[in-house]
Amino acid sequence: GAGVSQSPSNKVTEKGKDVELRCDPISGHTALYWYRQSLGQGLEFLIYFQGNSAPDKSGLPSDRFSAERTGGSVSTLTIQRTQQEDSAVYLCASSLGLGSETQYFGPGTRLLVL
Amino acid sequence: AQSVAQPEDQVNVAEGNPLTVKCTYSVSGNPYLFWYVQYPNRGLQFLLKYITGDNLVKGSYGFEAEFNKSQTSFHLKKPSALVSDSALYFCAVRVNTGGFKTIFGAGTRLFVKA
Repeated sequence: GAGVSQSPSNKVTEKGKDVELRCDPISGHTALYWYRQSLGQGLEFLIYFQGNSAPDKSGLPSDRFSAERTGGSVSTLTIQRTQQEDSAVYLCASSLGLGSETQYFGPGTRLLVL
Repeated sequence: AQSVAQPEDQVNVAEGNPLTVKCTYSVSGNPYLFWYVQYPNRGLQFLLKYITGDNLVKGSYGFEAEFNKSQTSFHLKKPSALVSDSALYFCAVRVNTGGFKTIFGAGTRLFVKA
């Protein structure tokens, strides 16, 4: 497809389990971003990648959160030992580059931790 | 610290009337400013951006925004609202201060009544 895709679209898990969220950016986009949108809240920046490197990890809420990107394409956001407060919609975006480039968003993964 | 403020949680307008959704920002350095829209059960869509040059920026669906450096504002406007404009609108700012972290406002929900 031409857009950013994310999987799964919905994920229900039990507290304490690990989850992996996947993002496929638009082909050719070197920059990739992860955000979290909690119910009724704005977007919270988590991390961005330029190529495979993540220069800024300051947005990750805790050391339970990690992300990687391989081959300059697909990215995985991993949440270990999930907590109920991790429940949110996790959005991925990609752009041609950094700076003034427009970010194109995927549909998101809705995570519910029971 | 960089921040974006959308002072109104909700804006109500009648169809055919002009609409304004407010955004102010606080950054060090020259900002790149963006507006995104989120329709129910859909991902964020890019509306418009200000990078440099003309302070009045025109975007998708008849929207426009004016960059005002002295007031550090980037209000979104449309001359004549449509019911289909009802959605959640996000203002965002990006500054290259050692990184390209994008800060989003909390969002403003726009209701257009027929």
